[in-house]
Amino acid sequence: DVKVTQSSRYLVKRTGEKVFLECVQDMDHENMFWYRQDPGLGLRLIYFSYDVKMKEKGDIPEGYSVSREKKERFSLILESASTNQTSMYLCASRTGNQPQHFGDGTRLSIL
Amino acid sequence: ELKVEQNPLFLSMQEGKNYTIYCNYSTTSDRLYWYRQDPGKSLESLFVLLSNGAVKQEGRLMASLDTKARLSTLHITAAVHDLSATYFCAVDFPGTYKYIFGTGTRLKVLA
Repeated sequence: DVKVTQSSRYLVKRTGEKVFLECVQDMDHENMFWYRQDPGLGLRLIYFSYDVKMKEKGDIPEGYSVSREKKERFSLILESASTNQTSMYLCASRTGNQPQHFGDGTRLSIL
Repeated sequence: ELKVEQNPLFLSMQEGKNYTIYCNYSTTSDRLYWYRQDPGKSLESLFVLLSNGAVKQEGRLMASLDTKARLSTLHITAAVHDLSATYFCAVDFPGTYKYIFGTGTRLKVLA
């Protein structure tokens, strides 16, 4: 079974901090994704990566950056956290046309 | 604009009843994905529908795909409380491995 592991289930940070969310997958998938999910807004794609060191902006990249130095790891970075980035963050990975597999999610609160 | 629309958005039903969730999409995709999400949890892959006329069944859930009508259905037979969750459909954004997600259908099965 595919395992997508997100480093934290719950995280509390302060406004202005630089925040790192880590995601690791164990199935050698080429494609990895970061989403945020908010009530009433569904799932929105922040960034995705189709190969090491390759990234593309999703629908809402503002205020975020990503890093993919190794194939199995995809990091989401909040450069200067703000309260409107309080959300549930979901990481997913995928190979080819197979379905995306999701991690357990990180519930991030910015105070 | 590429869109995936689900209806209904909310569904409250009695145990033992049947109901259908609809997923309409505007792309020319010939594959469609269904996911389940329990409250506070991540997304779990339910079905992958790979071609026109595809039908998949698991327990009380059956999914089908009509690519000509750009419509997928998720049929619930004799609902039980354990099926209470939010169900999402998704299609591939053309030429990429990212998804376009539907709005989600929140299903509540009443005992």
